Amino acid sequence: EVQLMESGGGLVQPGGSLRISCGVSGFSVSKKYMSWVRQAPGKGLEWVAMMYSGGNAYYADSTEGRFTISRDQSTNTLHLQMTSLRVEDTAVYYCTGGISRADHWGQGTLVIVSS
Amino acid sequence: QSVLTQPPSVSGAPGQTVTISCTGSSSNIGAGHDVHWYQHLPGTAPRLLIFGNKNRPSGVPDRFSGARSGSSASLVISGLQAEDEGDYYCQSNDFKLKGLWLFGGGTKLTVL
Repeated sequence: EVQLMESGGGLVQPGGSLRISCGVSGFSVSKKYMSWVRQAPGKGLEWVAMMYSGGNAYYADSTEGRFTISRDQSTNTLHLQMTSLRVEDTAVYYCTGGISRADHWGQGTLVIVSS
Repeated sequence: QSVLTQPPSVSGAPGQTVTISCTGSSSNIGAGHDVHWYQHLPGTAPRLLIFGNKNRPSGVPDRFSGARSGSSASLVISGLQAEDEGDYYCQSNDFKLKGLWLFGGGTKLTVL
């Protein structure tokens, strides 16, 4: 059975940093395209970042230069390092796995950026 | 303002059929990129509902169907049930974004 479980969300001040993680079971994070998708309060889904199976990483314009996606094959975990956080980064962050689409989703972790 | 345009809301009575549209452009849906649909029910994680324009993952009832034509796509939900109430999103790729993901703004379905 495929399971994705996010962790690491919380309250952080503007300008601060936070790393969220996604533990995966049922498939290898290095065999699928892995993405982070977020949903701000009252808003729709927004794609944040993607790592291809080959290791290339891509980012939305709103997060490029501030966020870094990475994976740890030894623990089968996906990470998102977020720096220079802004109030508008407040959202539930979902981990997803798939190629051109999100076949699998985690339950999400809430990140609140506020002073 | 999303590049993929969806109606903000649709509604229907139990048993009825509703259609949710997703309008793109020549750089995304019109360029031949597949459209995928997600269902996001209150308090749950989003789930893939339709992939590759018209295909259902295992476990998705055949009440849900999808189609793509030109630069637009549609999700049809027939035999509406109360548990279908929630948000629905289309997703595609866009060559201007290096082929990466694009979501529609979402449509809230209300079952009357």
